Amino acid sequence: DAGVIQSPRHEVTEMGQEVTLRCKPISGHNSLFWYRQTMMRGLELLIYFNNNVPIDDSGMPEDRFSAKMPNASFSTLKIQPSEPRDSAVYFCASKYTGSNQPQHFGDGTRLSIL
Amino acid sequence: SQQGEEDPQALSIQEGENATMNCSYKTSINNLQWYRQNSGRGLVHLILIRSNEREKHSGRLRVTLDTSKKSSSLLITASRAADTASYFCATDENYKLSFGAGTTVTVRA
Repeated sequence: DAGVIQSPRHEVTEMGQEVTLRCKPISGHNSLFWYRQTMMRGLELLIYFNNNVPIDDSGMPEDRFSAKMPNASFSTLKIQPSEPRDSAVYFCASKYTGSNQPQHFGDGTRLSIL
Repeated sequence: SQQGEEDPQALSIQEGENATMNCSYKTSINNLQWYRQNSGRGLVHLILIRSNEREKHSGRLRVTLDTSKKSSSLLITASRAADTASYFCATDENYKLSFGAGTTVTVRA
């Protein structure tokens, strides 16, 4: 079975540029999460979708960050404009909705903003 | 914000030895989960223990949960070089997982 698929795996860009990260969740999973991982702050939940609807975006750091889930098999996380402090590894995870269900993570996108 | 806190931060053991790491948390939970992260990869779910369970086993893994002390432990028995990774506990409050900072385990051959 295919797991959660993220693209690109690595992204290096200059500050001020728009960055779009992509995620394909596991088929049948109806909850999707975007996380950011840094050495300083660890793993932080950015946004949570259930059935394609954003439920909790309280972790989105600023208006420069936006996320969409146009259908059950695709989500994007966009940063515009990007800043060096956005450099991190961004993970997407999906799960079946409901209690006591584990999350399944993609391998992440390592983002470097110069 | 991180709710779980793992202890120790780092652990180095010889192959074949057991590795034990602990997790403490602050609020009520539905369940507690342990994940492993290999370098450059995503997190992999290892085991989930519900709030009404006290102990759970999966292969060489043993997890305990003490809700009165708000703590959990993960034991890896007969460690192998392939167990070298970072291990995270995560507390499940409804839909949201809060991760600790992790324990980095190095298994020496």
